[in-house]
Amino acid sequence: EPEVTQTPSHQVTQMGQEVILRCVPISNHLYFYWYRQILGQKVEFLVSFYNNEISEKSEIFDDQFSVERPDGSNFTLKIRSTKLEDSAMYFCASSTTRDRGRNEQFFGPGTRLTVL
Amino acid sequence: GQNIDQPTEMTATEGAIVQINCTYQTSGFNGLFWYQQHAGEAPTFLSYNVLDGLEEKGRFSSFLSRSKGYSYLLLKELQMKDSASYLCAVNLYNQGGKLIFGQGTELSVKP
Repeated sequence: EPEVTQTPSHQVTQMGQEVILRCVPISNHLYFYWYRQILGQKVEFLVSFYNNEISEKSEIFDDQFSVERPDGSNFTLKIRSTKLEDSAMYFCASSTTRDRGRNEQFFGPGTRLTVL
Repeated sequence: GQNIDQPTEMTATEGAIVQINCTYQTSGFNGLFWYQQHAGEAPTFLSYNVLDGLEEKGRFSSFLSRSKGYSYLLLKELQMKDSASYLCAVNLYNQGGKLIFGQGTELSVKP
């Protein structure tokens, strides 16, 4: 069964460093998302992406964050200068549709980011 | 603002039935999802409701009342492996497919 994959599974970085989290969405999906989950807290929406553009972003997704689809398969989240509070599990998700009909999002296994 | 409420935790017995409630106050409702999340893992899709009524899928059923801003997830014939967090999430219309999640309900199934 097709699935979303993410690399790395765990990333440890120093505060102020840049990190890139990678995702390979399901191949026939057109809509891509990043969410994060701080330990013990709820899953929070960061950004959605379609047709090489950001569709929607949350207040969390400030200038330190960016997303890119550098080729036909990868979808990346970059954090330019990490802060301690960026430590969280980051989930990538994808879906076939967005606004109409059953548009369940399939989640990848996540990247645990630890900022020291 | 957007608000989704679920009980924090529930306990049930193996073989029993449990109902997990979710109430929501959001703008631009475009469907409600239930996800299951085991500790340290990704959310996995369980069910979807966009119209009022009951959706049944094996041991899992989900109900929606849009006028009341209310949904529940019903789990029958509970198994130990059903111990997990159950997340209620609302899809917002015309907001890029954004899902707003509740805090999740931690279900413990005991023998």
